[in-house]
Amino acid sequence: DGGITQSPKYLFRKEGQNVTLSCEQNLNHDAMYWYRQDPGQGLRLIYYSQIVNDFQKGDIAEGYSVSREKKESFPLTVTSAQKNPTAFYLCASNNPGLGYEQYFGPGTRLTVT
Amino acid sequence: AQSVAQPEDQVNVAEGNPLTVKCTYSVSGNPYLFWYVQYPNRGLQFLLKYITGDNLVKGSYGFEAEFNKSQTSFHLKKPSALVSDSALYFCAVRDIFSDNNNDMRFGAGTRLTVKP
Repeated sequence: DGGITQSPKYLFRKEGQNVTLSCEQNLNHDAMYWYRQDPGQGLRLIYYSQIVNDFQKGDIAEGYSVSREKKESFPLTVTSAQKNPTAFYLCASNNPGLGYEQYFGPGTRLTVT
Repeated sequence: AQSVAQPEDQVNVAEGNPLTVKCTYSVSGNPYLFWYVQYPNRGLQFLLKYITGDNLVKGSYGFEAEFNKSQTSFHLKKPSALVSDSALYFCAVRDIFSDNNNDMRFGAGTRLTVKP
């Protein structure tokens, strides 16, 4: 997990509340990603950003929003529009063109009741 | 579009025995292939990758994987399993010619359990 931090590790929210998950990297990577992990479904891409002030929707962007104001930071907001937000959220980063492997943070487990 | 399949949800092996975790892929061009491991409540850790060259790739913790283009497979192997290898393993694929960073696709994962 070295170089990428996510906070908090566990997060509990009431239904209808927006919540922001933090992701910070000190690897000087250009690209950052947010994935959602559910049991038996692997990783699904929510949003990704290839450069500061630019981001693109992934496969399951509905109900989520992101920003990329700084190279090292890529926060994810889970809005009340997300119908099933309880999941394990993983942030990753890489430098495309240098092997493409992604480096992951430790994850945030979000529980919404 | 690329995709990857991990046909086994669960693999059980005895400590000291060889292990294999299977992965097959589909890409329109040539693949970049990756294996990651995830321990409980942790992020994914990169194990190894195939980009080009030797079909047998060696990675972290004694793991290796063999790229087989004719069978479109990239199975993960280890000659002698350890109890500490018990974890969730993910295969991932990317089309070598894709300019889109969105194009990394992960399998659903295989849970490896190594019993003493």
